[in-house]
Amino acid sequence: QKEVEQNSGPLSVPEGAIASLNCTYSDRVSQSFFWYRQYSGKSPELIMSIYSNGDKEDGRFTAQLNKASQYVSLLIRDSQPSDSATYLCAVKRSGNTPLVFGKGTRLSVIA
Amino acid sequence: DTEVTQTPKHLVMGMTNKKSLKCEQHMGHRAMYWYKQKAKKPPELMFVYSYEKLSINESVPSRFSPECPNSSLLNLHLHALQPEDSALYLCASSRTPQETQYFGPGTRLLVL
Repeated sequence: QKEVEQNSGPLSVPEGAIASLNCTYSDRVSQSFFWYRQYSGKSPELIMSIYSNGDKEDGRFTAQLNKASQYVSLLIRDSQPSDSATYLCAVKRSGNTPLVFGKGTRLSVIA
Repeated sequence: DTEVTQTPKHLVMGMTNKKSLKCEQHMGHRAMYWYKQKAKKPPELMFVYSYEKLSINESVPSRFSPECPNSSLLNLHLHALQPEDSALYLCASSRTPQETQYFGPGTRLLVL
């Protein structure tokens, strides 16, 4: 059973702080890694995708991938109350294979 | 543009009704997906269409019937649903089955 594990939270951070969201996966041949943000009652929205070891930055968001440790994280700098949402980690093998989601981490940014 | 549209936004149906959910994208994506999402759970894959052919069916009950009339459209036909089928139904698409998936806004379904 291929699994993606996330701490369900809630993770509470003060406004302006760095929020760190973590994800581990069991399938060693995973190739593609995604972070989606989902507001309550809305659909998942892609935040970041990452395919190679190391860091990838996009504005206030940084994704970090370590394939040896089977670990992917998302850092949100200068967290805002509008970042309060559930963050879903998703992992995929190559080819026509399903996207495997973690259960999501609920982030709460306190003003 | 990464827009996937879904209609209707909300649907209430009885257990004897037949209804359809519709999904559309005009990004030239050749893979389209149906997911079901219950509250506080991650999306659960139902079906994948790859180049207009059904490529993955995750053992979904036959009361759910997908259809892909062309590369831009994906339907989900619903018949004799149960109250436990009430959920958010999400459509997604990707340029190819290997690439990033983009989700539509979803259809909130309530089965009475």
